Amino acid sequence: AQSVTQLDSQVPVFEEAPVELRCNYSSSVSVYLFWYVQYPNQGLQLLLKYLSGSTLVKGINGFEAEFNKSQTSFHLRKPSVHISDTAEYFCAVSGAGAGGTSYGKLTFGQGTILTVHP
Amino acid sequence: AAGVIQSPRHLIKEKRETATLKCYPIPRHDTVYWYQQGPGQDPQFLISFYEKMQSDKGSIPDRFSAQQFSDYHSELNMSSLELGDSALYFCASSWTGGANTEAFFGQGTRLTVV
Repeated sequence: AQSVTQLDSQVPVFEEAPVELRCNYSSSVSVYLFWYVQYPNQGLQLLLKYLSGSTLVKGINGFEAEFNKSQTSFHLRKPSVHISDTAEYFCAVSGAGAGGTSYGKLTFGQGTILTVHP
Repeated sequence: AAGVIQSPRHLIKEKRETATLKCYPIPRHDTVYWYQQGPGQDPQFLISFYEKMQSDKGSIPDRFSAQQFSDYHSELNMSSLELGDSALYFCASSWTGGANTEAFFGQGTRLTVV
């Protein structure tokens, strides 16, 4: 079984400032890691994912995340945020090696609401 | 590009009624997943289907059932609705044939039980 902890429920930041949203996970097996963004009353959109290979992954909208196996973390970063980045962000994991259907069976964190102020 | 289609987008039901939520995956996708997201909560995995067979089961109440049809669309049937079933229900789909596939989520169906 896996669990995900997002360390901050809310992160306020000013426009053009850098931001880091923290995510730690726990698992007894190897995992795939994901960050999703959810705008109000919308579905979940994939920002980026780590499956294997380079531990620094780049996603859409200028976001990137680094997988740290020793610290079991997958923190999301953006060097300069925009007003339009205001949304809720979810970190999620799935068990690796469980077959192709494992990509969609996700355990989510509690979410971090990012609010970008002008 | 085609996305995951869920219908209806909004649904209001009374306690003890039944509800049916539908999900139409992206063409060629063979796997469908259902999630429930309560108010202020993270999405919780309910159930998934691969090639019309149940592939995994999560925290789905016994009052709920689901299936995937020959055209790969899926339906989530919810009976004896309770107030606590009010939530946003997401469907996601993926294709297991690719090397780096991902699950694509629909816009969700917001179910309100009154």
